[in-house]
Amino acid sequence: AQSVTQLDSQVPVFEEAPVELRCNYSSSVSVYLFWYVQYPNQGLQLLLKYLSGSTLVKGINGFEAEFNKSQTSFHLRKPSVHISDTAEYFCAVSEDSGYSTLTFGKGTMLLVSP
Amino acid sequence: GAVVSQHPSRVICKSGTSVKIECRSLDFQATTMFWYRQFPKQSLMLMATSNEGSKATYEQGVEKDKFLINHASLTLSTLTVTSAHPEDSSFYICSAREPFGAKNIQYFGAGTRLSVL
Repeated sequence: AQSVTQLDSQVPVFEEAPVELRCNYSSSVSVYLFWYVQYPNQGLQLLLKYLSGSTLVKGINGFEAEFNKSQTSFHLRKPSVHISDTAEYFCAVSEDSGYSTLTFGKGTMLLVSP
Repeated sequence: GAVVSQHPSRVICKSGTSVKIECRSLDFQATTMFWYRQFPKQSLMLMATSNEGSKATYEQGVEKDKFLINHASLTLSTLTVTSAHPEDSSFYICSAREPFGAKNIQYFGAGTRLSVL
């Protein structure tokens, strides 16, 4: 079984500042890792994913994340945030199989203010 | 990315009635769909895995007779909340897995806000 820990429930940041949202996972097998974004009263949109290969993955809206196997982390970063990035961000993990389920973290609310 | 449509987006019903929520994959065939429940300011909890042409697999603690799932075609799964009660009020989200087991990528619907009076 896998588990995901998102250490920060809320991250306030000013517009145009950099941001890092932290995610650590636990698993006894190899994993796939995902970041999703959820805007109010909406479903989840896939931001980026790590499946294999390069540990630095780039996603949509200028976000990127780095897979660190030794630290079992998959932190999400953006060099300069916009007001429109205000949303809930979920880290998720699954076994590296096409047929397993996703386990989500509790989410981090990113609050971008002017 | 692939598009998943979920309907209705919001439903208000009286206690004791049943509510059906539809989840459709619009531009791909999904042999596997998932149903999640999300409480306010909390994460998504997987309720069940819906497989086309077979019975759904429910997570521990989820009442299968309460939450009926039907996946009759490769593009449609439905969740029926039977005899709904106020404690069933929640945000329900479906997802569809990219076909051919492609790296377990799931695409999500926009969610359904259920309010039971």
